[in-house]
Amino acid sequence: DSGVTQTPKHLITATGQRVTLRCSPRSGDLSVYWYQQSLDQGLQFLIQYYNGEERAKGNILERFSAQQFPDLHSELNLSSLELGDSALYFCASSETPGQPSETQYFGPGTRLLVL
Amino acid sequence: AQSVTQLGSHVSVSEGALVLLRCNYSSSVPPYLFWYVQYPNQGLQLLLKYTSAATLVKGINGFEAEFKKSETSFHLTKPSAHMSDAAEYFCAVTGGNTGFQKLVFGTGTRLLVSP
Repeated sequence: DSGVTQTPKHLITATGQRVTLRCSPRSGDLSVYWYQQSLDQGLQFLIQYYNGEERAKGNILERFSAQQFPDLHSELNLSSLELGDSALYFCASSETPGQPSETQYFGPGTRLLVL
Repeated sequence: AQSVTQLGSHVSVSEGALVLLRCNYSSSVPPYLFWYVQYPNQGLQLLLKYTSAATLVKGINGFEAEFKKSETSFHLTKPSAHMSDAAEYFCAVTGGNTGFQKLVFGTGTRLLVSP
């Protein structure tokens, strides 16, 4: 158990809908990262927040957005969902804004299926 | 830009045999390299990481990896495979002093262990 929690574990929805994925980092971690794992794209970095502020962006679609709240939990919002958005979404956390050698601790993921 | 290449999407070994999972990296800055393992329906767990302190890195569950700059490689090995090692393994790279840590993952190698 990494200490990172994600809810829900599974999500099934229809095209065009909007969903929210939630992540709670390890106690004491201020950085939260979101990754998408899909069959065709592999594991890709989406976005990072540090202490409530957006820190870095990766291959995140404009239909997707995220935020980190004062209690440090984070939410990833996916809207106007398409079939291709079906994937496993991971959240990870670390202590600092992003030291390159630092370990990121991953949650169990949320499996999203868009029908 | 940084990248990693994992040779072989699937590797099959017998229980007790040597495990060798290959990873080659590309980086314009000194890299930090990671191996993560993903068991079925679980998140990613760090096996080991290279942070320039030592070229031979020992990790959990008997795994180790050697950083070879001349070969731009960071292959993962284990002397004797166990059935419980069956999982997907990801090599990842990061680096630089950009103030944020974006893990760039390889495509993964699925390790199959037969009795």
